[in-house]
Amino acid sequence: EPEVTQTPSHQVTQMGQEVILRCVPISNHLYFYWYRQILGQKVEFLVSFYNNEISEKSEIFDDQFSVERPDGSNFTLKIRSTKLEDSAMYFCASSPAAGKSNYGYTFGSGTRLTVV
Amino acid sequence: KQEVTQIPAALSVPEGENLVLNCSFTDSAIYNLQWFRQDPGKGLTSLLLIQSSQREQTSGRLNASLDKSSGRSTLYIAASQPGDSATYLCAAETEGYQKVTFGTGTKLQVIP
Repeated sequence: EPEVTQTPSHQVTQMGQEVILRCVPISNHLYFYWYRQILGQKVEFLVSFYNNEISEKSEIFDDQFSVERPDGSNFTLKIRSTKLEDSAMYFCASSPAAGKSNYGYTFGSGTRLTVV
Repeated sequence: KQEVTQIPAALSVPEGENLVLNCSFTDSAIYNLQWFRQDPGKGLTSLLLIQSSQREQTSGRLNASLDKSSGRSTLYIAASQPGDSATYLCAAETEGYQKVTFGTGTKLQVIP
């Protein structure tokens, strides 16, 4: 069964450093997403991406964050100048279509980001 | 703004019991509702997807129902097993938005 692949599985970074989280969505999917889950809290939406541009973003997704699809397979989340409160599990997801899809969203296994 | 709530927050049952997990959402204009399983420190595994036009979906021992007009979905797990122990999340994809909104989760423990 096709999977969404995320790397690394765990990343530790110092406060103020930049990190890039990487994702390989399912190959025939057109919509890509990033979510995060702070330990013990709900899974929160960050951003959706379609046709090489952001289609929707949450209040969390401020100027500190950016997304990119640098080639035909990768989808990245960059966090500039990390803060302690950025420590969370970050999930990438993809879907073949938005709205009336029969397939829903497929999520990756996550990257646990720890900011020290 | 869509709000998704799950009750109960935690549930402990003996092995073999049938159980029901509840999910409610405030905006009934949804495309679909998806149920996920999350093991501790792990990713989100999709269990079932119910389209807005459907009433229920089944996969093995799992049955999910949807009552869109009342803003409710239930996940029924038959003959629970210790391996079913995990957190179960529901997520609604609301019309006009390109995202899903997750519920608060139900942490299930099945005791052997």
